[in-house]
Formats: sequence, structure tokens, C-alpha cells
Amino acid sequence: EPEVTQTPSHQVTQMGQEVILRCVPISNHLYFYWYRQILGQKVEFLVSFYNNEISEKSEIFDDQFSVERPDGSNFTLKIRSTKLEDSAMYFCASSELRAGSQPQHFGDGTRLSIL
Amino acid sequence: RKEVEQDPGPFNVPEGATVAFNCTYSNSASQSFFWYRQDCRKEPKLLMSVYSSGNEDGRFTAQLNRASQYISLLIRDSKLSDSATYLCVAFSSNTGKLIFGQGTTLQVKP
Repeated sequence: EPEVTQTPSHQVTQMGQEVILRCVPISNHLYFYWYRQILGQKVEFLVSFYNNEISEKSEIFDDQFSVERPDGSNFTLKIRSTKLEDSAMYFCASSELRAGSQPQHFGDGTRLSIL
Repeated sequence: RKEVEQDPGPFNVPEGATVAFNCTYSNSASQSFFWYRQDCRKEPKLLMSVYSSGNEDGRFTAQLNRASQYISLLIRDSKLSDSATYLCVAFSSNTGKLIFGQGTTLQVKP
């Protein structure tokens, strides 16, 4: 079964540094998403991306965050200047159709630890 | 009021038991609903979509009551491997977002 893959599985970074989290969505999917989950808390939507542009974003997704699809397969989340509170699991997801029309498939996540 | 609300549990049940989880949502414009399962420190995995007419997949049955803004998940004949956190998820086209509940934890004991 096709999978969403994410790298790295664990990223440890000093506060203030930039990080890039990488995702390879399922190949025939057109909609891509990033979520985060702080330890012990619920999964929170960050951003959705379609047709090379952001279609929705949450209040969490401020100017420190950006997303990009640099080529035909990768989808990246960049955090420009990390804060301690950015420590969380970050999940990438993709769907063939827009969220709600079809379920999203999640990658196994990147654990981001900010020191 | 939380957009999607679940009882966090934990629900501790013996193997073979039937257990039901409930979920309420506040946005009446929510259109689609899902149950996801999440194991400790793992990604959410789709368990089933929830349809207005109710739907069943093996030991799992999901129900939706739009009038009461209420969703349920019933698990029959619980297995040890059912131990996980069950996430109730709502989608509304006016926000374009999936909104997750905090999850209900199930522990199935031998």
C-alpha cells in the first residue's frame, strides 16, 4: 500500500535555528497537509497546500513557518527561527481529493526537539 | 466550547467486551467525519469514515447524529490489539480544515 514518508524521524535543533522537515506524499495525491502534535495534546492543523499554493492555514502557522513543493515529489515545512514551544511531532498528510471529500493518509511523523 | 470534544478516558475493558466512544462537535457546518486510531507516539491511522446512515466495518460500527451533533464508535469483541487512542475528526468546508478531538484512550486487558 502506498505510504506518506517523512524524514528525518527525529530532529534535534538549538533554539533560533532553522529546520526543514521533509515529506514525500503518496504519488497520485494532489492535496498536502502539515499537522503538529505537542506531547500529550491533540493533533492540530497547520496548513494545507494544493496546486503549488497554500489553500488554508491555522493561527499557529505564522510568519516563522513556510511550506514548499520544490520538485514533483517532496513537500517541505520550514521553521525559520525555532522556539522551545515548537517542540512537537510534525505529521505530513496527503489526500487525493480535498480534505473531507476523502480521508487523509498520514506519514509516521518527525519528532522535533528544540533545545 | 471545544470544536470536537471527546471523553479522554481511559476506558479499561476486558478482552471480548463491547465498548462505545462518543464525540460531539460544535460546528453545525461540519460535513464529514472520521475515526482515526493513534498508537502511542505514532501517526494517526484512518479507522473509518462516518456516514449519516451509520456504517459498519467488521467489529467496528460508527454512527452520526447530525441533529444532536454527535458521533459514536462501537467496538465489539475487543482485542488486546485494539488498545490505542481513538481520535474523532470533523471537517467543514467553511474552514477547510480537519479538526481533531483530543482522543479517547482504550486499554483492553487480558
